[in-house]
Amino acid sequence: QVQLVQSGAEVKKPGSSVKVSCKASGGSFSRHVISWVRQAPGQGLEWMGGIIPISATANYAQKFQGRVTISADEVTTTAYMELKSLRSDDTAVYYCARDTSPKGGRYGMDVWGQGTTVTVSS
Amino acid sequence: DIQMTQSPSSLSASVGDRVTITCRTSQSISSYLNWYQQKPGKAPKLLIYAASSLQSGVPSRFSGSGSGTDFSLTISSLQPEDFATYYCQQSYRSVYTFGPGTKVEIK
Repeated sequence: QVQLVQSGAEVKKPGSSVKVSCKASGGSFSRHVISWVRQAPGQGLEWMGGIIPISATANYAQKFQGRVTISADEVTTTAYMELKSLRSDDTAVYYCARDTSPKGGRYGMDVWGQGTTVTVSS
Repeated sequence: DIQMTQSPSSLSASVGDRVTITCRTSQSISSYLNWYQQKPGKAPKLLIYAASSLQSGVPSRFSGSGSGTDFSLTISSLQPEDFATYYCQQSYRSVYTFGPGTKVEIK
């Protein structure tokens, strides 16, 4: 069964960037969409974007276009999410999640990382 | 991006109650609708995919229905471990969206 293990908590200054990693082990990686989802304190889930590692094709929510870059390394089975020009309202827990099936999102996201807390503060 | 609404935003219910949460999308998404449960401090858990299919290992008291723009999640007999926040999520195109969530609390 695939597991997703994320990098550790980060504290960043406003205006800086953060790059969070998500390493997959024990299962299929390259053909499934890997999504990044964030959750601000006390708020709901927000889909930021996703990538199919084998094609390196990334799609982004309109809100994050131009500020987020999602990438993946098939060799190390690791996905990355980089968010630039950080603001205080980017403080959140960031999750990676894998689509259940390589056939698309119809089957939901069944495997999630443990979450990475990113705190943006001066 | 496709917009999503959920109702109610929160509800109070008792153990054994039947609970229904609704989700509506801004455009038709066929049956590309998934439901998740999230407990405090935990990652979301997939409950229902493709609008009405039960994810492996999820109790049968959970069910989903709907297509097009209107969907629902029903818990037939609420159990103590079901008190959580529930989110719908559309996966119709390559850009996904989550609903705002419904918090189910103990009455």
